[in-house]
Amino acid sequence: DTGVSQDPRHKITKRGQNVTFRCDPISEHNRLYWYRQTLGQGPEFLTYFQNEAQLEKSRLLSDRFSAERPKGSFSTLEIQRTEQGDSAMYLCASSLGGGSQETQYFGPGTRLLVL
Amino acid sequence: SQELEQSPQSLIVQEGKNLTINCTSSKTLYGLYWYKQKYGEGLIFLMMLQKGGEEKSHEKITAKLDEKKQQSSLHITASQPSHAGIYLCGADIEAGGTSYGKLTFGQGTILTVHP
Repeated sequence: DTGVSQDPRHKITKRGQNVTFRCDPISEHNRLYWYRQTLGQGPEFLTYFQNEAQLEKSRLLSDRFSAERPKGSFSTLEIQRTEQGDSAMYLCASSLGGGSQETQYFGPGTRLLVL
Repeated sequence: SQELEQSPQSLIVQEGKNLTINCTSSKTLYGLYWYKQKYGEGLIFLMMLQKGGEEKSHEKITAKLDEKKQQSSLHITASQPSHAGIYLCGADIEAGGTSYGKLTFGQGTILTVHP
């Protein structure tokens, strides 16, 4: 257990439905990251927060995706009008600060299957 | 092509054998991370290397970052079935080490250890 939790662990939904995932980072960590991982690939960066501010979004994050971190603690990732191509593992990570010297600790992930 | 290339893509060894996994980048590596992932689960942090020539060990796993800081290797001595999993290297590449924190990952190396 890394201290980062994600909920739910698994989600099966029908195409066109909306889904929301939650991430609870390690309590004192002010950086929070979302990644997406498809089968046989490494994680790909989606977006990150410094406290409650969303500082960058990947071009992978289409308009159907939105992420929030309202109080600088937990974060949610919502996918609207899901498509089969959204099926993947969604990983959350947190770090104490930013930078290449700050270790990111990952949660167990939420596995999404869109039928 | 991948910005971070891992080799081999998969590896099957007999228990007790030594093995090496490589991670190569076309750009200078800053803050190179090694993670381990069990199938369907989150990433577990193993080690982080910052400086060219740096070497770190934890139990039977040793990681090195070469002098030119464009390649890292992960070496496992006397492998055990518990070492089986997916090994991922991640690095802050795009920001050139300017304290961005966004990680780019290799595609992973699947390790199987037969008892």
